[in-house]
Amino acid sequence: DAGITQSPRHKVTETGTPVTLRCHQTENHRYMYWYRQDPGHGLRLIHYSYGVKDTDKGEVSDGYSVSRSKTEDFLLTLESATSSQTSVYFCAISINQANQPQHFGDGTRLSIL
Amino acid sequence: AQKVTQAQTEISVVEKEDVTLDCVYETRDTTYYLFWYKQPPSGELVFLIRRNSFDEQNEISGRYSWNFQKSTSSFNFTITASQVVDSAVYFCALSEANYGGSQGNLIFGKGTKLSVKP
Repeated sequence: DAGITQSPRHKVTETGTPVTLRCHQTENHRYMYWYRQDPGHGLRLIHYSYGVKDTDKGEVSDGYSVSRSKTEDFLLTLESATSSQTSVYFCAISINQANQPQHFGDGTRLSIL
Repeated sequence: AQKVTQAQTEISVVEKEDVTLDCVYETRDTTYYLFWYKQPPSGELVFLIRRNSFDEQNEISGRYSWNFQKSTSSFNFTITASQVVDSAVYFCALSEANYGGSQGNLIFGKGTKLSVKP
């Protein structure tokens, strides 16, 4: 199993509160990704990182920010959570960007009431 | 624009039947990669296979086989003699090598839910 840990695994919070999800890897991979999974949509990319302090937006980045201060940690922040951000969030890592598979963490189930 | 279509939303088969999951992709890139992932009921995403655009050879791994046809932009997945443990959601995904700042990011299809009944 790829060494990827997501925390927390489950979270329930209220609209308007800030939320931070953490992805930690032990593989020293350069690339890290955050996806959200919603019924009928598959997985959609939120943000990704191609190195420490190097991040870029994905398909559904509005309302989310990320930070990567160390190779092993990639944080996803919802500054002011909304009910539309209720989802399952997956972190992924890969050695390089295009031709290597991404390996996924076990996901975080986030409910915003 | 890049796109992955999995037209079969749900498939139900009886154990030992063969089943094929369809995947059709769109890309403007000449170098790209195709992937299949499995998501069992426990929720994790498991990498199954990667194919690059220059290799159209079919691949077989045990009961799993993949048929890549550039002429029809398809990358179909067949499970032979299905088992209950094959019940999962299966995702096809595309990664482009060359275009734009998002090269390499995965574009997923919406998934096909396979139920294998005993």
